[in-house]
Amino acid sequence: QQQVRQSPQSLTVWEGETAILNCSYEDSTFNYFPWYQQFPGEGPALLISISSVSDKKEDGRFTIFFNKREKKLSLHITDSQPGDSATYFCAASPSSGSWQLIFGSGTQLTVMP
Amino acid sequence: EAAVTQSPRSKVAVTGGKVTLSCHQTNNHDYMYWYRQDTGHGLRLIHYSYVADSTEKGDIPDGYKASRPSQENFSLILELASLSQTAVYFCASSGTGTVNERLFFGHGTKLSVL
Repeated sequence: QQQVRQSPQSLTVWEGETAILNCSYEDSTFNYFPWYQQFPGEGPALLISISSVSDKKEDGRFTIFFNKREKKLSLHITDSQPGDSATYFCAASPSSGSWQLIFGSGTQLTVMP
Repeated sequence: EAAVTQSPRSKVAVTGGKVTLSCHQTNNHDYMYWYRQDTGHGLRLIHYSYVADSTEKGDIPDGYKASRPSQENFSLILELASLSQTAVYFCASSGTGTVNERLFFGHGTKLSVL
């Protein structure tokens, strides 16, 4: 059972466009949502994160929009650059129990010059 | 910058053989993790540890053992490797293990079981 779902599986945009990556979750107790960026041949690295008390988090060209009622998030990458080409993982953390992160299956983003 | 080093970077193993993947961190972190990455499944937690000489099962521990001989080192052991264990394995570390803690990942080990 996949508790964190991402769409699309792959996305291609042109340089300068806004890329929109989607994420949804099932468990209403999830309250922390990091996004990790992974370049080919490397491990994932934290890009940006949001907690359930906020509906928006911005860091430069990267913005998370969070809709708690619908259990949905989206990562917007404005003015996309070829260097943004990577796989993006949405993750979620439950609020209780032992620490853990549940990762989505990722969105592979390609930015064409 | 925090550093997590995995070895080997890639390995080919035979079915039924023993495989050991190693991880070393210089972050002075208490928590270490082993994840498996498969296409279409994202990252799944195999084992983790929050103190030396102790390990805990993650979401998919079957077929894997882990060892944490020191704070810096964390190994993943496949006693009897199987074809289904072909994947990329990532080691990660974090400071306190709290839910909003950043994970620092290594570069991964690509394991092919033939």
